[in-house]
Amino acid sequence: DGGITQSPKYLFRKEGQNVTLSCEQNLNHDAMYWYRQDPGQGLRLIYYSQIVNDFQKGDIAEGYSVSREKKESFPLTVTSAQKNPTAFYLCASSSSGTGDTNTGELFFGEGSRLTVL
Amino acid sequence: SQKIEQNSEALNIQEGKTATLTCNYTNYSPAYLQWYRQDPGRGPVFLLLIRENEKEKRKERLKVTFDTTLKQSLFHITASQPADSATYLCAPLNQAGTALIFGKGTTLSVSS
Repeated sequence: DGGITQSPKYLFRKEGQNVTLSCEQNLNHDAMYWYRQDPGQGLRLIYYSQIVNDFQKGDIAEGYSVSREKKESFPLTVTSAQKNPTAFYLCASSSSGTGDTNTGELFFGEGSRLTVL
Repeated sequence: SQKIEQNSEALNIQEGKTATLTCNYTNYSPAYLQWYRQDPGRGPVFLLLIRENEKEKRKERLKVTFDTTLKQSLFHITASQPADSATYLCAPLNQAGTALIFGKGTTLSVSS
């Protein structure tokens, strides 16, 4: 089945530790995204990548890093510089563009819930 | 800064009625607007996209309008069912088709 897989589903981290969240897709999509969702707030874009070996910062990139070495994979590292990392993290992918036959639909994974102890 | 507001955090209606959800945006001129459904603890699922030159878009029991003058999109679910209970998110897209931010969502509860 085609889809997008995030792991781990739940993660606990001590303050000062870096953690990496995995995101893999087998939809052959060019674009991949990382969003953060906090209670009572909308999703906010952290980083996105339109093509392999290239990525752009979203609204809240500080304290996070990403890589896009393969089309299928877009891991997110939450560094110790991120002041408030406890959140629900969502990875998504889409085929490029929003032309006449493309809705720009984002396909989301099931999310990773990170808690800092 | 760009701001997106969805009219209320919670909406309770009876089965069979029409649910109307509102998405307002400021300091933003999106070229497209998407609506998603999110169930608790899950990732959002795409429902509809509407373009700035489209006034209305329909899909089965769903209808979306997009008023660029009012900077508002309305999302309607007709003949609502308990299975429609979920949180609905709006996401304005820029010209490049990227959603920088989603609305907080409106949680719809449909009672039988």
